[in-house]
Amino acid sequence: DAKTTQPNSMESNEEEPVHLPCNHSTISGTDYIHWYRQLPSQGPEYVIHGLTSNVNNRMASLAIAEDRKSSTLILHRATLRDAAVYYCILKGRRAETSGSRLTFGEGTQLTVNP
Amino acid sequence: ETGVTQSPTHLIKTRGQQVTLRCSSQSGHNTVSWYQQALGQGPQFIFQYYREEENGRGNFPPRFSGLQFPNYSSELNVNALELDDSALYLCASSLGLAGPTYEQYFGPGTRLTVT
Repeated sequence: DAKTTQPNSMESNEEEPVHLPCNHSTISGTDYIHWYRQLPSQGPEYVIHGLTSNVNNRMASLAIAEDRKSSTLILHRATLRDAAVYYCILKGRRAETSGSRLTFGEGTQLTVNP
Repeated sequence: ETGVTQSPTHLIKTRGQQVTLRCSSQSGHNTVSWYQQALGQGPQFIFQYYREEENGRGNFPPRFSGLQFPNYSSELNVNALELDDSALYLCASSLGLAGPTYEQYFGPGTRLTVT
């Protein structure tokens, strides 16, 4: 699996935007970029995914670099509830062997200050 | 629509014992994956079950085994428990073999402590 690199931790203030970076320089052309987050004492939850174009949903936006070697998860207005570990994961077309397998790194611990 | 549930929430076992953890997948999901998450680490893939058969396995020894039932619920069994097996065990369900665009839905996990 291609590797992703994220900062260990980031801090933000409540109601301000947060940009969480992810580097994936060995990404293949068919790898999708997924983001999950894990709130304290909970299982991970899906946030967003994309392939080439920027994506928006109700939780966040995903900005993907033109060369696809990096991406940024954008939380437009951080709340205290957004304090979590955020994981950037590459997922390719290998359904015949690994199916749903997600390869997690250590993620970025986001702290939101009131 | 019910989410993924796991039982028990917490469990304490002694080294050498065996343990069974249970997972009920989200309604309509036929694929279940199990992950182990050590403290301060990201989850690590153990294996996946699709339509009652193992379909993909991570770097875990054979003493980690599983089952999936016709209703798509699943069990994770760990034999000969070791201290390093202490972790949060997460179950995730998804629809089908989950191509690259599918999302997975995780349960809250079972915290296993081996003493």
